[in-house]
Formats: sequence, structure tokens, C-alpha cells
Amino acid sequence: DVKVTQSSRYLVKRTGEKVFLECVQDMDHENMFWYRQDPGLGLRLIYFSYDVKMKEKGDIPEGYSVSREKKERFSLILESASTNQTSMYLCASSQTSLNEKLFFGSGTQLSVL
Amino acid sequence: AQSVTQLGSHVSVSEGALVLLRCNYSSSVPPYLFWYVQYPNQGLQLLLKYTSAATLVKGINGFEAEFKKSETSFHLTKPSAHMSDAAEYFCAVSFYNQGGKLIFGQGTELSVKP
Repeated sequence: DVKVTQSSRYLVKRTGEKVFLECVQDMDHENMFWYRQDPGLGLRLIYFSYDVKMKEKGDIPEGYSVSREKKERFSLILESASTNQTSMYLCASSQTSLNEKLFFGSGTQLSVL
Repeated sequence: AQSVTQLGSHVSVSEGALVLLRCNYSSSVPPYLFWYVQYPNQGLQLLLKYTSAATLVKGINGFEAEFKKSETSFHLTKPSAHMSDAAEYFCAVSFYNQGGKLIFGQGTELSVKP
């Protein structure tokens, strides 16, 4: 089975801190995605990547950046955390085909105080 | 603009009753359509997907969905609800001209009463 692992299940940070959310997949998938999930809003795409060192902005990239130095790892960075970035963050990966399903990690619940 | 809308943020059914979760999309190009389920404290997992083959798609756990182009809909159904079906369900859509990105609906939380 494909495994997508997110480094932390719960994270509490202070306003202004730099925050790193890590995601690793073990199936050699080309595509990796970061979503945030908020009640009533569903999942919204922050950033995605189709290859190493490649990144594309999603629908809500402001306040975030990403890094993909190795194929299996995709990091989400909050340069200066703010309270409105308190959310559940979900990482996902998929193969190259357009209609391939996404495999999701269990999520990181981030609280910014 | 391309989008997906789920009607009803909460749906409650009795055990054994029909489950119907509604999803409509807006698009000028043919879509690929998906239903995902999220159980408490877990990530999302795929229930089923439509990729321009048969319009009636069968998924896991007895769920199925029918693609109706004329209604731009992809509603999810299950004939008889089970307690273990209680979860949040997300409809999602992707398009060939969007590089494989999934656009998700707002989600519908399904409760099953004994």
C-alpha cells in the first residue's frame, strides 16, 4: 500500500514563528500536493509539485512556500505564522496520469496562537 | 469558472435507509469526477471515480455514483446505510487543462442513526 506520512499529527506554534510541515511518500509518485482543510470550505490547494525542484501555486498560496529537493519529500513552509493559518493541513501524492487518485496523509492539525 | 458544489453540509439517515449525497459541477470542458471519504482523524481515501467510461460507477463499501452530463451532477448513493458509513464525504473534480489538480467541494458530513 502507498504510504504518505506527515511528520506531526498536532502542532502548536506562536504568531511570527517559521513553521515547517513535512511530507514523505514511499511509492515514487511524481506529483505531490498540499491542501488545507477548514470546516465548510472543504479542501483548498496551496501548492503542488510535478517533479523535483518544481513547484506550482495553487488557489491559496499567500503566506506559504514549498520545497521539493527529493522526489519523495515535499515540505510546506509558513514563513511567519499567523492565526488565520490555524487549520488542518493535508499532504497528498499521485502518479503522473491526469485521472489517477490522490493518496493522502493523515493530516497535521496546526494551531497558531 | 470551474467549480464543484455539494448540497447539504450535514446529512442524517437511519441505519438501513438510502444514502444520497449530492454533487454538482460547473465546467465548459469534460470533467473527471471523484468521491472521497474521510473517517475521523484520518486522511481522505478514494471511494470511486468517473473517467469518461461507464456513467454509473461502483465504488468500495457498496457506494455508487452516476454521472449525468445534462444535469452536471455526480450524486453518491448507497441503498442501505450502515453505522460505519458515518464520515465526511467530499466530491472532487479535475480537468485535462488543469494539470491534474483536484478541486474539492465543501464536504458533507454523514450521520447514521441506529
